[in-house]
Amino acid sequence: AQKVTQAQTEISVVEKEDVTLDCVYETRDTTYYLFWYKQPPSGELVFLIRRNSFDEQNEISGRYSWNFQKSTSSFNFTITASQVVDSAVYFCALDEYGNKLVFGAGTILRVKS
Amino acid sequence: DGGITQSPKYLFRKEGQNVTLSCEQNLNHDAMYWYRQDPGQGLRLIYYSQIVNDFQKGDIAEGYSVSREKKESFPLTVTSAQKNPTAFYLCASREETGYPDTQYFGPGTRLTVL
Repeated sequence: AQKVTQAQTEISVVEKEDVTLDCVYETRDTTYYLFWYKQPPSGELVFLIRRNSFDEQNEISGRYSWNFQKSTSSFNFTITASQVVDSAVYFCALDEYGNKLVFGAGTILRVKS
Repeated sequence: DGGITQSPKYLFRKEGQNVTLSCEQNLNHDAMYWYRQDPGQGLRLIYYSQIVNDFQKGDIAEGYSVSREKKESFPLTVTSAQKNPTAFYLCASREETGYPDTQYFGPGTRLTVL
């Protein structure tokens, strides 16, 4: 069965610190997609990135970067030079070529000024 | 503006009442989804629909019902059979192209049972 684990329930950092959010997944399939979403206090989930299982290249988008390692079934998310606006709940999710997104429990990120 | 709208933003219900949550999208997406979010938990799938007039149960469908009479609309009814309906409900849609496109989410409805 599919499973996504975000072991960090809550992380607090001071502005400008770098922070990494961990995501570990379980799947039996060789074809799957991984996602990260951000949920600010307003509640709407904002899509950040999608990665397929055949593409292990790391990706950078501004202050955000993602490290995908199939060998350890991990898809970690790093925010460089964090800002107060990064405070949110971040979800990692897995889609195993079907119709369901399986979500992790989420990591609450608090960035203090 | 293309997007997903949900209404109302906040909804209060007395025990024993059915309530319907609205979800509309103008993205021309084929598939639509309903998720439930409880504090400290991830999202759990209630129902989904890949095409008009068809829908499937998700992981926690008991006490809920849906309809898909139009491509752009996927309302969710929380029935009195749902034992603990207080939660945050999120609707999502996806363009169905035969592989897992990204799901995009609406702003959510917070339901409270009094």
